[in-house]
Amino acid sequence: AAGVIQSPRHLIKEKRETATLKCYPIPRHDTVYWYQQGPGQDPQFLISFYEKMQSDKGSIPDRFSAQQFSDYHSELNMSSLELGDSALYFCASSLTTRTEQYFGPGTRLTVT
Amino acid sequence: QQQVKQSPQSLIVQKGGISIINCAYENTAFDYFPWYQQFPGKGPALLIAIRPDVSEKKEGRFTISFNKSAKQFSLHIMDSQPGDSATYFCAASNGSNTGKLIFGQGTTLQVKP
Repeated sequence: AAGVIQSPRHLIKEKRETATLKCYPIPRHDTVYWYQQGPGQDPQFLISFYEKMQSDKGSIPDRFSAQQFSDYHSELNMSSLELGDSALYFCASSLTTRTEQYFGPGTRLTVT
Repeated sequence: QQQVKQSPQSLIVQKGGISIINCAYENTAFDYFPWYQQFPGKGPALLIAIRPDVSEKKEGRFTISFNKSAKQFSLHIMDSQPGDSATYFCAASNGSNTGKLIFGQGTTLQVKP
């Protein structure tokens, strides 16, 4: 079965640079969630989209923005990167809201 | 403040034994409770989930027990195997909003051969 695809899988950036993370949901899934997971921590909700509209927002810094496109893929844009942004970033998708969420393999972002 | 509290933080079980992980929540608006398994460097994988209208759900070796009055739920892994060694997260979501998951702190399970 098709799973959530995330790219790139690994990304190394320097402080103050910009990064773009991409997420391709499972086919026919119209809802996308982004989570951030620090080392040894639980995933923290950042932002979600339903039918290409932002549906919820968590503890996402103003330096971050995201959108969902017409083909339902989503991109998380991160600017003015800080050392503390180093983490695993997961995208999850679901068939509408309030149903099972399936996570992608994640993007490991390292800021040096 | 952690909305979903998970215990224990780590757990060591012998092969063939039962692993039990517990979670507690405060927000009575939560109405969906999944469990995820995560291997190092991998994404969380959905194991099993329950809604408050049932007290127990079983899928293979994995069982969720749910106590609505106590606001607690637990994961039982029967006949634990070394391949079950991973980090397990409980989570909850609020039925009135967009489905975002609130996770517990995680439990690192080691199953010894």
